Amino acid sequence: AQSVTQLDSHVSVSEGTPVLLRCNYSSSYSPSLFWYVQHPNKGLQLLLKYTSAATLVKGINGFEAEFKKSETSFHLTKPSAHMSDAAEYFCVVSKRDDKIIFGKGTRLHILP
Amino acid sequence: GAVVSQHPSWVICKSGTSVKIECRSLDFQATTMFWYRQFPKQSLMLMATSNEGSKATYEQGVEKDKFLINHASLTLSTLTVTSAHPEDSSFYICSARDPGGSKADTQYFGPGTRLTVL
Repeated sequence: AQSVTQLDSHVSVSEGTPVLLRCNYSSSYSPSLFWYVQHPNKGLQLLLKYTSAATLVKGINGFEAEFKKSETSFHLTKPSAHMSDAAEYFCVVSKRDDKIIFGKGTRLHILP
Repeated sequence: GAVVSQHPSWVICKSGTSVKIECRSLDFQATTMFWYRQFPKQSLMLMATSNEGSKATYEQGVEKDKFLINHASLTLSTLTVTSAHPEDSSFYICSARDPGGSKADTQYFGPGTRLTVL
């Protein structure tokens, strides 16, 4: 069975410093993995997607994530945080039946 | 590309009335759409899978007679909350799966609909 765990419910970083949002997954096969961002009272926007083509995936707005099979991790990073990055971030894993499983989310706070 | 819209963005209704929410894929055809519910400060909960031309598949615990789903075309799915009650107040989000190529298992989300039942 597939599952996804976001290790931090809240992360606070200062503007201009690196961002690290952690995600671990469990899957009985090679899954597709996603990161989505949700700003308050908005829908979800796809940041990036891993599909086994490359372990380092570059997304929008300067975000990237690295798939590490040995660690079953898919952490999201950004070199320099911007105030506009403050939002809820969801790590997501696909299932074979077209459904997806959400992590519980990580709230990213950006300190001025 | 891959834009999904929802209408209305927010709605307030009286208890006992029905509310219809529309979900449209604007630049692709979606044979499968999904309806989620999100409670404050929580993750998304899948309610049902909407398949064009066939009955929706509901998740365990979701009342199909309460939440009517219709997927009449490849670009439109509707969710009707029937006889709404205050406990149905929530943020409802739809998504559509782009069936093409490498994006086949990617879901694109609408902006959500805030339902408040008085």
